[in-house]
Amino acid sequence: GENVEQHPSTLSVQEGDSAVIKCTYSDSASNYFPWYKQELGKRPQLIIDIRSNVGEKKDQRIAVTLNKTAKHFSLHITETQPEDSAVYFCAARGPSGNTPLVFGKGTRLSVIA
Amino acid sequence: NAGVTQTPKFQVLKTGQSMTLQCAQDMNHNSMYWYRQDPGMGLRLIYYSASEGTTDKGEVPNGYNVSRLNKREFSLRLESAAPSQTSVYFCASSEQGGTEAFFGQGTRLTVV
Repeated sequence: GENVEQHPSTLSVQEGDSAVIKCTYSDSASNYFPWYKQELGKRPQLIIDIRSNVGEKKDQRIAVTLNKTAKHFSLHITETQPEDSAVYFCAARGPSGNTPLVFGKGTRLSVIA
Repeated sequence: NAGVTQTPKFQVLKTGQSMTLQCAQDMNHNSMYWYRQDPGMGLRLIYYSASEGTTDKGEVPNGYNVSRLNKREFSLRLESAAPSQTSVYFCASSEQGGTEAFFGQGTRLTVV
């Protein structure tokens, strides 16, 4: 089955700097790669996703890149703000309608004001 | 629009007790999932149901059973709770294939 590795496990950045979180996946057939943000005590919520037919996607200060050949994808947050502090999870899903989302172990991002 | 609703939000069990976590979604999704979240371990899949009438094991199914009661509801049962099952449990749902999964608010379970 699919295996997703996520790095780093913790990340501290100064407010205004950029943050990058990286994930690798094992199943070359996977074709959907979402990123979730989880604030303390709350449920994970989708912030951005990308499909395997696209190399990059941007939404304001957030961008995701996908390298299918290397089987890795990354989350980029620019101009970080204190409210970006949270745990971020990457995930991957295979093409079949029967395959579930498999998550990485998460990255705790702290933005220092 | 409630989305995904889990009950209860908090529960304390004694070792050996049984309980059922309830999950319901009102988005007409085909697929439903149960994850557990432990510190440093991310979200690990316990069981999932790709469509009504089907269930499959995930990464950590031991000690759990599930029932897909109908398209809306997917329950998780602990037959004999153990301290190792202390965790936060999340139910989620999605359309089949590559689409967003929506999560419930979570159930914080403590087994003493």
